[in-house]
Amino acid sequence: ETGVTQTPRHLVMGMTNKKSLKCEQHLGHNAMYWYKQSAKKPLELMFVYNFKEQTENNSVPSRFSPECPNSSHLFLHLHTLQPEDSALYLCASSQDGTGGYTFGSGTRLTVV
Amino acid sequence: RKEVEQDPGPFNVPEGATVAFNCTYSNSASQSFFWYRQDCRKEPKLLMSVYSSGNEDGRFTAQLNRASQYISLLIRDSKLSDSATYLCVVTFGAAGNKLTFGGGTRVLVKP
Repeated sequence: ETGVTQTPRHLVMGMTNKKSLKCEQHLGHNAMYWYKQSAKKPLELMFVYNFKEQTENNSVPSRFSPECPNSSHLFLHLHTLQPEDSALYLCASSQDGTGGYTFGSGTRLTVV
Repeated sequence: RKEVEQDPGPFNVPEGATVAFNCTYSNSASQSFFWYRQDCRKEPKLLMSVYSSGNEDGRFTAQLNRASQYISLLIRDSKLSDSATYLCVVTFGAAGNKLTFGGGTRVLVKP
C-alpha cells in the first residue's frame, strides 16, 4: 500500500449509530489531518495532529472525536451525528506541514 | 471576507486555448501557496507549489503577488483532461501547517 488510504469509502449511518473512519499513511509523514468537504463549500479543516499530538481543533462539535495512536494512523469516531454532517471526509498527511499534502480518497458519509 | 477567495466559474475553454484565473487571500502572514486539482468525486491532488519568483510546470504557470495578496494559475494549450476544479490553498500558522482552501474554480475544456 502506498500513499494515504481511508476506509470505508462509503458509509451510511443513522443518527443514533456510532462508527469510526480510519486513515493510514505510508509516507513516513509526521502530520495528519481531517478535512470535511460539503457540497458547494470549501474544504474545512477539522483536526491537525503533529507527531501524534493534536495541535488544532477547529471548533468541531464533540460528536466528532479524533484519535491518533501513532503517526501513521488516524481515526475519526462518530456518534449521534446529524443529517447536516453528511459530507466527504478527507484525511491528509504532510511532512512538517511543508510542501504539498497527500490526501486519501475520502469517506463519503451519509447520515440518515 | 473569506480567507481564500476564488471565482467559482465555470470557465468554459475551447481545447487548445489558454485560461487563467486568480485567487485572493486575506492573511498577509500566509506562508506557502499551492494549487490543487480536484476531479469530480475524487480527492484533491497537488498540482504545483507557487513560489515568489513564479514557476512553470509544462503547460501550467503559477505566480504569486504578495503585495496584492493573490496567486494565479495559467493553463496553456488546454486539454480535455484539464477539466477539473482547481483549488487554491494557502498555509499559515506557527508550523505553516494550517491549510486553508478556496472554494475552487471549475474549468471545463470543450472540443
